[in-house]
Amino acid sequence: GAGVSQTPSNKVTEKGKYVELRCDPISGHTALYWYRQSLGQGPEFLIYFQGTGAADDSGLPNDRFFAVRPEGSVSTLKIQRTERGDSAVYLCASSPKVGGEQYFGPGTRLTVT
Amino acid sequence: EDKVVQSPLSLVVHEGDTVTLNCSYEVTNFRSLLWYKQEKKAPTFLFMLTSSGIEKKSGRLSSILDKKELSSILNITATQTGDSAIYLCAVDQAGTALIFGKGTTLSVSS
Repeated sequence: GAGVSQTPSNKVTEKGKYVELRCDPISGHTALYWYRQSLGQGPEFLIYFQGTGAADDSGLPNDRFFAVRPEGSVSTLKIQRTERGDSAVYLCASSPKVGGEQYFGPGTRLTVT
Repeated sequence: EDKVVQSPLSLVVHEGDTVTLNCSYEVTNFRSLLWYKQEKKAPTFLFMLTSSGIEKKSGRLSSILDKKELSSILNITATQTGDSAIYLCAVDQAGTALIFGKGTTLSVSS
């Protein structure tokens, strides 16, 4: 079956621009998570959704970051006024239930120049 | 502060060797500990260990959870070059976010 998919796989943008990263979870998975991974580090939690609502957004670094999941399936992570420090791999994961094992997508490598 | 610490950070072995990777944690509201293998970008799920399932095995890989010592080990026997990857340990805290360690980079030479 299809796994978690993310688009684009790579995104290069200029400092100050707006970007959107998309995640398509495994069909039927109700929980969806966003993480950010910098070189040499483990993934760091950003936000998670249970259905359509953001159940925990405590990992979002500041108000330039926002995520939505309007229909309880696909999610979009939005970053305004990008900064060079936002450069990282953004990983999405889904789980059939909260507390179950999380399955990761291939990630989007964001580079801010 | 909640944290997950993995050791060693990197390891180089020869094909056929057995390796043990370590993970220790200090986390409130522990629910489970997970191991992932990361090649290129996507972490691939290996095992989930809980209070009711403290030992898991799949082929040459096995893992044990020690809730008393707040730690876990991942064993790989008869290593192959295809085992070369970053191995990530993560703790599920109250069923929400995973807290990851920095990972152990394993290199298996032929």
